Amino acid sequence: DQQVKQNSPSLSVQEGRISILNCDYTNSMFDYFLWYKKYPAEGPTFLISISSIKDKNEDGRFTVFLNKSAKHLSLHIVPSQPGDSAVYFCAASVEGNFGNEKLTFGTGTRLTIIP
Amino acid sequence: KAGVTQTPRYLIKTRGQQVTLSCSPISGHRSVSWYQQTPGQGLQFLFEYFSETQRNKGNFPGRFSGRQFSNSRSEMNVSTLELGDSALYLCASSLAFSRGGYEQYFGPGTRLTVT
Repeated sequence: DQQVKQNSPSLSVQEGRISILNCDYTNSMFDYFLWYKKYPAEGPTFLISISSIKDKNEDGRFTVFLNKSAKHLSLHIVPSQPGDSAVYFCAASVEGNFGNEKLTFGTGTRLTIIP
Repeated sequence: KAGVTQTPRYLIKTRGQQVTLSCSPISGHRSVSWYQQTPGQGLQFLFEYFSETQRNKGNFPGRFSGRQFSNSRSEMNVSTLELGDSALYLCASSLAFSRGGYEQYFGPGTRLTVT
């Protein structure tokens, strides 16, 4: 079963506007959530993360919001830039004996920024 | 600092054959994880190695195996290839232990096509 879901396979946003990418999860044991960005022919690169004890984390143009009661998180990009066009993956992990090594990923959302 | 490298970048194999993929982690990183990326499934965790020992394992059949060498380099092997094994195989490296929220550094992946 898909424990981490990204229900929008694609999203188009005008340059300068806000991009909002959504992610839902089912496993209440997840204690860390991460967003990765992937360009074609490259591996995913880490963007931002949030612990389950927080509801917001901000890093420059990127903000992640976590709603634990709804099991929902979102990534906001403001303002959106053409270089933000990529596939975005939401990921989650449960702390095990050795830390949070095993990531469970969503299926990704392709974000296209329109100039 | 050099990133994660994976070889080869592209492979074409036929059904029934076996394949070995290689991953060199970032210098100083001792944990190596492998993921399979297919359309519609996102990234799925295969296994994770640390100090030549498999610490975590995903839900893949025994045809998928791996190992890690004393220099932290890792190899992944798939035996008796099936058409459904066609995918992008990503390797990620990280520090030995991290209590959540850390990022894994991904390589560019090996694109395997099974015909």
